[in-house]
Amino acid sequence: DTGVSQDPRHKITKRGQNVTFRCDPISEHNRLYWYRQTLGQGPEFLTYFQNEAQLEKSRLLSDRFSAERPKGSFSTLEIQRTEQGDSAMYLCASSLTDGHEQFFGPGTRLTVL
Amino acid sequence: DAKTTQPTSMDCAEGRAANLPCNHSTISGNEYVYWYRQIHSQGPQYIIHGLKNNETNEMASLIITEDRKSSTLILPHATLRDTAVYYCIVSGANSKLTFGKGITLSVRP
Repeated sequence: DTGVSQDPRHKITKRGQNVTFRCDPISEHNRLYWYRQTLGQGPEFLTYFQNEAQLEKSRLLSDRFSAERPKGSFSTLEIQRTEQGDSAMYLCASSLTDGHEQFFGPGTRLTVL
Repeated sequence: DAKTTQPTSMDCAEGRAANLPCNHSTISGNEYVYWYRQIHSQGPQYIIHGLKNNETNEMASLIITEDRKSSTLILPHATLRDTAVYYCIVSGANSKLTFGKGITLSVRP
């Protein structure tokens, strides 16, 4: 399967703990996006990378959130000191630089107790 | 905020065409209309996009009005597997996507 993969698929953590999610994009895709989706809502943009450069961050991305794409391939999204409000589905998508279509992964569902 | 408005839900009979409307009256000249859908518990899936002209692919057709202020996604022969939330999105090319709440399409047997 050469689609976008995300790991883990599910994560349950206690409030105050740190969590890290991984996204592996389609191999030739330069762009990588992170979105967050809460129940009943559409996905909300968090940040995106062009290769290893983080080009835009949403105001939703508080100081507790950090994303990296160190070698322009896979990306990680870390949430420090998790809060119950962080409970959501975290979606990763990738695309070609000049491509219109974003390919989404299956998401990581985070539950903060 | 999303730049599009869609009905909350609609249904259609299996085998019939599903016509999903979208209003985007503030669309800019260089913005595209994109449609994605999300089947329960999966990531969104791209369907089609267009700028000015009508577009068709193996999944659907996109009809954009001449003034570009509205569009319609057409699923020509809906199946039960087309039951999903459909998002109409206006965005610049190769840009982040701003999703609204979408329209829930229910295909009934």
